[in-house]
Amino acid sequence: SQQGEEDPQALSIQEGENATMNCSYKTSINNLQWYRQNSGRGLVHLILIRSNEREKHSGRLRVTLDTSKKSSSLLITASRAADTASYFCATGGGNKLTFGTGTQLKVEL
Amino acid sequence: DAMVIQNPRYQVTQFGKPVTLSCSQTLNHNVMYWYQQKSSQAPKLLFHYYDKDFNNEADTPDNFQSRRPNTSFCFLDIRSPGLGDAAMYLCATSRDQADWEPQHFGDGTRLSIL
Repeated sequence: SQQGEEDPQALSIQEGENATMNCSYKTSINNLQWYRQNSGRGLVHLILIRSNEREKHSGRLRVTLDTSKKSSSLLITASRAADTASYFCATGGGNKLTFGTGTQLKVEL
Repeated sequence: DAMVIQNPRYQVTQFGKPVTLSCSQTLNHNVMYWYQQKSSQAPKLLFHYYDKDFNNEADTPDNFQSRRPNTSFCFLDIRSPGLGDAAMYLCATSRDQADWEPQHFGDGTRLSIL
C-alpha cells in the first residue's frame, strides 16, 4: 500500500502566490523526500528532510516535518508558471522508495 | 551532462506482442529501478538492480522481466502485454542503496497497447 497521501489532490493559484502541499504517512521514517514531475516527464528530486530535522529550506522551497503527526508540508513561495507540475512526497529510500498520491499544482499567469 | 535516458519516449505495441523498453545512464550509479506509473497515480516500483543483483517486488506480475547487461544499461521486457499494462514506465538510478540517496529519473516511455 502507498505510504504517503497528499492533499490537496489539486491546487490552482496565481503567479506570485505561495503554494502549500501536505503529505501524511503511516509508519516511522528515517527521512522524507519531495519530488516534482512536469507533465509527461520524469521525476526530479527537490529536497530531503531527515527525521531529526523540523524544517529545511532550498531556494523558494521550504519543507517541514512533524514526526509526531507523521506529516510533512512543502511550501513554494512566490510561485511561477514554471512551477506548474505534480509534486510527490516519498518515504523509505534505499531500494524501497514509496511515493505519495501527489498534488497537481497549477500556477496561472 | 550526466543523465538517465529512456528510449523510445513513446512505444505502441499490440496486445500480447512482446515489447522491450530500454534505459541507459551516464551517472555510473550502482542501482537502477523500473517504475510503472498509470495516469494521475504515483509511480509504483516494479523491480531494481543493485549492481547485478536483481530484486523483484512481490506484487510485480511475472509478465514483467528485466535485464541489466552492464552498469550503464537496463531493459524492461513485457512478455505478453495486456491492456492493463498501458502506462508510463520510468527508469531511475541512485548512487547507492542508502536511504538518503536521491533517485534520478529518465523522462519515461509511454506504452500504448492496441
